[in-house]
Amino acid sequence: SQQGEEDPQALSIQEGENATMNCSYKTSINNLQWYRQNSGRGLVHLILIRSNEREKHSGRLRVTLDTSKKSSSLLITASRAADTASYFCVVTGGTSYGKLTFGQGTILTVHP
Amino acid sequence: NAGVTQTPKFRVLKTGQSMTLLCAQDMNHEYMYWYRQDPGMGLRLIHYSVGEGTTAKGEVPDGYNVSRLKKQNFLLGLESAAPSQTSVYFCASSYSRGRALNYGYTFGSGTRLTVV
Repeated sequence: SQQGEEDPQALSIQEGENATMNCSYKTSINNLQWYRQNSGRGLVHLILIRSNEREKHSGRLRVTLDTSKKSSSLLITASRAADTASYFCVVTGGTSYGKLTFGQGTILTVHP
Repeated sequence: NAGVTQTPKFRVLKTGQSMTLLCAQDMNHEYMYWYRQDPGMGLRLIHYSVGEGTTAKGEVPDGYNVSRLKKQNFLLGLESAAPSQTSVYFCASSYSRGRALNYGYTFGSGTRLTVV
């Protein structure tokens, strides 16, 4: 099954700063998705970018996708303390449908 | 629209006891999944289902069984609980292959299980 690997493992910033986290994967994909998990809670779907898209925006979120480098980045602008969470990227495609697998995630801490 | 509902939210079991976790979704999703999450780790896929009456093994299926008798429900069973099964369990659902190109997965809020 396919899996995205997030980098860095942990990120600590001040409120108001931008946060950037990256995702790398190894095979061809249909889409790439980012999820947020607040401590002890379920995952929340943030944004999905298809393999034929290069950039997508949703509120303070900006996702880019470079299929030639097999990588994606998630930018959160003007971070808030409430953005403190773990962020995961997942990829789907090929024979991996039905087997969504996760990496370790990036732990983002936004200090007030 | 409730999304994905997991019951129970918390449970403490003694070693050797059995239990069933229930996942229910009201979005008419074809695919459903069970994951476990241990401290400091990402989610690991236990079992999944691509349709009513069908199930398949994920990364860590040992010690668990599942059933999908109705499209909206996906049950996870522990026949003889072990301390190693102490974890937080998450259920998720999604559309099937075609529609999944444009939609993400919906997760439940989790079941925190402790086996003593």
